[in-house]
Amino acid sequence: AQSVTQPDIHITVSEGASLELRCNYSYGATPYLFWYVQSPGQGLQLLLKYFSGDTLVQGIKGFEAEFKRSQSSFNLRKPSVHWSDAAEYFCAVGDSIQGAQKLVFGQGTRLTINP
Amino acid sequence: GAVVSQHPSWVICKSGTSVKIECRSLDFQATTMFWYRQFPKQSLMLMATSNEGSKATYEQGVEKDKFLINHASLTLSTLTVTSAHPEDSSFYICSARVPGRGEAFFGQGTRLTVV
Repeated sequence: AQSVTQPDIHITVSEGASLELRCNYSYGATPYLFWYVQSPGQGLQLLLKYFSGDTLVQGIKGFEAEFKRSQSSFNLRKPSVHWSDAAEYFCAVGDSIQGAQKLVFGQGTRLTINP
Repeated sequence: GAVVSQHPSWVICKSGTSVKIECRSLDFQATTMFWYRQFPKQSLMLMATSNEGSKATYEQGVEKDKFLINHASLTLSTLTVTSAHPEDSSFYICSARVPGRGEAFFGQGTRLTVV
């Protein structure tokens, strides 16, 4: 069965500092990996995804993530955070890119930005 | 494109009544939609997979008679919480995939409060 672990429940960084959110997955086949962001009381917005190819993927809002198969990781990074990046971040793994695709989510990491 | 709209955004109902939540794909057709439940400060838990023209597939532990799902058209799935009780209070989110694309798009969520 698929599973996703986000080790950090809450992270606080200063505005302008760099950010890395950790994500580890467990899946027997080729994983399809996603990062979503959720603002309070809102749905989820896709930041980026990895299906195949280049292991460093670029997303929206200046985010990037690197897929490392040897470490079963898909960490999210941003070189310089903005106050508007404060939100909940979810890593997810899907079992396919065709057909009905279930997503399994990590526990989420809440990001707080200090001014 | 790829917009998923959920309605209502929030609803308060009395214990024992039923509440219907709608999930619409506005600019694409979705043969499959997903319903998630999210408790405060927690991750998303998949409740069921909604299949157009057929019965929904429920995850283990989800009461199909309490959470009725209907996917009558390619753009609309509904979740009805029947005989709601305070423990059903939660944030409910739907998602749908655009055919041929790997990522899922989420509605903005519905905050249900049962009093």
